[in-house]
Amino acid sequence: DTAVSQTPKYLVTQMGNDKSIKCEQNLGHDTMYWYKQDSKKFLKIMFSYNNKELIINETVPNRFSPKSPDKAHLNLHINSLELGDSAVYFCASSQLGANVLTFGAGSRLTVL
Amino acid sequence: KQEVTQIPAALSVPEGENLVLNCSFTDSAIYNLQWFRQDPGKGLTSLLLIQSSQREQTSGRLNASLDKSSGRSTLYIAASQPGDSATYLCAVYYAGGTSYGKLTFGQGTILTVHP
Repeated sequence: DTAVSQTPKYLVTQMGNDKSIKCEQNLGHDTMYWYKQDSKKFLKIMFSYNNKELIINETVPNRFSPKSPDKAHLNLHINSLELGDSAVYFCASSQLGANVLTFGAGSRLTVL
Repeated sequence: KQEVTQIPAALSVPEGENLVLNCSFTDSAIYNLQWFRQDPGKGLTSLLLIQSSQREQTSGRLNASLDKSSGRSTLYIAASQPGDSATYLCAVYYAGGTSYGKLTFGQGTILTVHP
């Protein structure tokens, strides 16, 4: 019973391609997040959605487009992949007001 | 803007030593502070969560303290073991006057405990 699940766990692709990473949570939370961990292991927030609405966007290039079809899902679509997009992407969820996040296991994206 | 700094960036100790990892944050208006552990190539494991009204939390050999007014936290690991080797991340939940909070991370301390 994985609380926050991400797929795929590993993704290797060529520069210029478009790819998606999916995230689902079964905790009944109303807020979901995407974090990026770069090669120096620094974790930074990218986006946050509350009840399918974008509430945080941390100046991420518009090649990144999160999509939340419902409050249990937050997918990350990346267009025209660049070498610098190689990173581990973590999805997380929380209940607004609870101030505690539950993280997925991460998706390692490698752009060649 | 909230910034979280962890010192040292890396630490190597012999087994059995007690050690302290440091975390500082620039804006004291936090809701809570959390320490995570990350093993190489793995996800995040939450170790301890300290609410802003609390001063410390303990779990086994781990003790985390929080001094919100000075913007500091320490993670104390007693009697370190090789299995403690990992990256330790400090993160604060912070809203910064907005309606929605987020978790802001430090850059981590890489701990190596050698036998």
